[in-house]
Amino acid sequence: DAGITQSPRHKVTETGTPVTLRCHQTENHRYMYWYRQDPGHGLRLIHYSYGVKDTDKGEVSDGYSVSRSKTEDFLLTLESATSSQTSVYFCAISEPQGTGNEQYFGPGTRLTVT
Amino acid sequence: GQQLNQSPQSMFIQEGEDVSMNCTSSSIFNTWLWYKQDPGEGPVLLIALYKAGELTSNGRLTAQFGITRKDSFLNISASIPSDVGIYFCAGRGSGGSNYKLTFGKGTLLTVNP
Repeated sequence: DAGITQSPRHKVTETGTPVTLRCHQTENHRYMYWYRQDPGHGLRLIHYSYGVKDTDKGEVSDGYSVSRSKTEDFLLTLESATSSQTSVYFCAISEPQGTGNEQYFGPGTRLTVT
Repeated sequence: GQQLNQSPQSMFIQEGEDVSMNCTSSSIFNTWLWYKQDPGEGPVLLIALYKAGELTSNGRLTAQFGITRKDSFLNISASIPSDVGIYFCAGRGSGGSNYKLTFGKGTLLTVNP
């Protein structure tokens, strides 16, 4: 199994509060991703990183920011959580080579915004 | 953007039966990946395909990269109860250094013992 951990695994927070989710990898992979998973929508990319301090937006980036100060850590921040951000959040990592891009996922963080 | 249509959305089968599911796209993909997700856990990579026409097996699982590069298939033979879960396809389109994946919405598999 790829060495990916996410913290916290579960969190309940109130609307308007800031929330930071952490993804940590021990594989030294260059790319890291944040997805959210919702019924009926599948996995949707929020942000991704292609190196330290190098990040880009995904398809559902509004309301989210990310930071990557070290290869092994990728943080997802909800500046002011809303109920629409209640979801399961997954981190993934990859080390693309040629045409390949096998992504490996963490165990997920279940976030509830009340 | 690119979209993947995965079917069926759900399947209810008896233990021992074979299973087939597929993903189709309106655009060409260079890579097809198949994942399985158990309840409360993250998706786990099952099979990766890189060439049109490629057929790859992983135990009782067999996946194929369609010749048109717009579809992929996953077959599970002789299903067992632990095959229960959600199966996702994912594809990487053409285009330089774009390493993002597009995911299907998943096939929920239920196996009756």
